[in-house]
Amino acid sequence: GQQVMQIPQYQHVQEGEDFTTYCNSSTTLSNIQWYKQRPGGHPVFLIQLVKSGEVKKQKRLTFQFGEAKKNSSLHITATQTTDVGTYFCAGPTGSQGNLIFGKGTKLSVKP
Amino acid sequence: SQTIHQWPATLVQPVGSPLSLECTVEGTSNPNLYWYRQAAGRGLQLLFYSIGIGQISSEVPQNLSASRPQDRQFILSSKKLLLSDSGFYLCAWSFGGSLYGYTFGSGTRLTVV
Repeated sequence: GQQVMQIPQYQHVQEGEDFTTYCNSSTTLSNIQWYKQRPGGHPVFLIQLVKSGEVKKQKRLTFQFGEAKKNSSLHITATQTTDVGTYFCAGPTGSQGNLIFGKGTKLSVKP
Repeated sequence: SQTIHQWPATLVQPVGSPLSLECTVEGTSNPNLYWYRQAAGRGLQLLFYSIGIGQISSEVPQNLSASRPQDRQFILSSKKLLLSDSGFYLCAWSFGGSLYGYTFGSGTRLTVV
């Protein structure tokens, strides 16, 4: 079946360093979404990418959707302690288009 | 604005006991509703989804069931809990399919002992 894979599983960075997480789908996606889950919290929707090659920015966060619409990345510039959490990518699957989530990348930031 | 409520926040239940988790959405009508389970603080597994009252689709065969008795109410149930049912249960809603972001409830942390 369709799979959405994320790497790395864990990333430990020093505050101020950059961070990137990568998402790969086994099938072409109509769109891809990114979520952030703070420790002990619930996932919160960050953004949706729809177009091939699309790049969107939210302050220090840059999201990219691959040309083939099978991969995506999230890059954080100059991480801060507030960036701590798990970042999930998700893509639609099945006839209803329900989201299938990657396993997430857990980011820890050392002050 | 739309809000989603999920309760209880935490629950400790003995093996073999029943379960009922409730989720309600306010501020919208005919939402798509979802139940996800997150084990060991990691990946999200879709358990059930519903596109309307009384319409439930199961993604994974398991010891759980879901019901949607009202438009904005989604209930997750079990007749007899197993140890393996422990996890973090999340309810979510969306306007429709994957064209819109999902909004998650605050979750229920279930421990079966």
